[in-house]
Amino acid sequence: AQRVTQPEKLLSVFKGAPVELKCNYSYSGSPELFWYVQYSRQRLQLLLRHISRESIKGFTADLNKGETSFHLKKPFAQEEDSAMYYCALTPFSGGYNKLIFGAGTRLAVHP
Amino acid sequence: EAGVTQFPSHSVIEKGQTVTLRCDPISGHDNLYWYRRVMGKEIKFLLHFVKESKQDESGMPNNRFLAERTGGTYSTLKVQPAELEDSGVYFCASSQDRGRTNTGELFFGEGSRLTVL
Repeated sequence: AQRVTQPEKLLSVFKGAPVELKCNYSYSGSPELFWYVQYSRQRLQLLLRHISRESIKGFTADLNKGETSFHLKKPFAQEEDSAMYYCALTPFSGGYNKLIFGAGTRLAVHP
Repeated sequence: EAGVTQFPSHSVIEKGQTVTLRCDPISGHDNLYWYRRVMGKEIKFLLHFVKESKQDESGMPNNRFLAERTGGTYSTLKVQPAELEDSGVYFCASSQDRGRTNTGELFFGEGSRLTVL
């Protein structure tokens, strides 16, 4: 069964501290993994995707197929990073972008 | 360019009533998706349209939910009759055809919050 697990509902850190939001997935094929973010009073939007291997707003995420993980990391958190973060996967072979989301992790960055 | 728009932003109805949610995707996006987030739980897929056709409706909870996309433009999601457990935020998203230059990104609306009393 396809599933995305985000074990932490809330992650609270101080500004400047490192951040790691955990994401594990279960899928028998080769999925595409994404991180979506929802800032306060804004719509859900794409943060980054594993196939791009890019860093967005200082965040990176590496797909670890052995551990079936796609953790989101940032070395120094900023207050503006406070938001709800969702890990999601889509089947490679799906041919379309149906997303399977985790429950989300709320990141709170304190001054 | 306008993003995905949803209406209404918030609807409060009584159990047994009917509610219709509307979604206008980004112009030119053939793919339209409905998702739902029940409080405290994950965002769950409901269904997917390609133009006016239902490509995948495996996430629709039951036959009280009816989605349409006449003409392949805007879509409506009707809940009739509404039950308490239908409360949540209903998101619509759209994306380009996967066959073109496609990053896999879904563009979401702001959501329609449904409260069933």
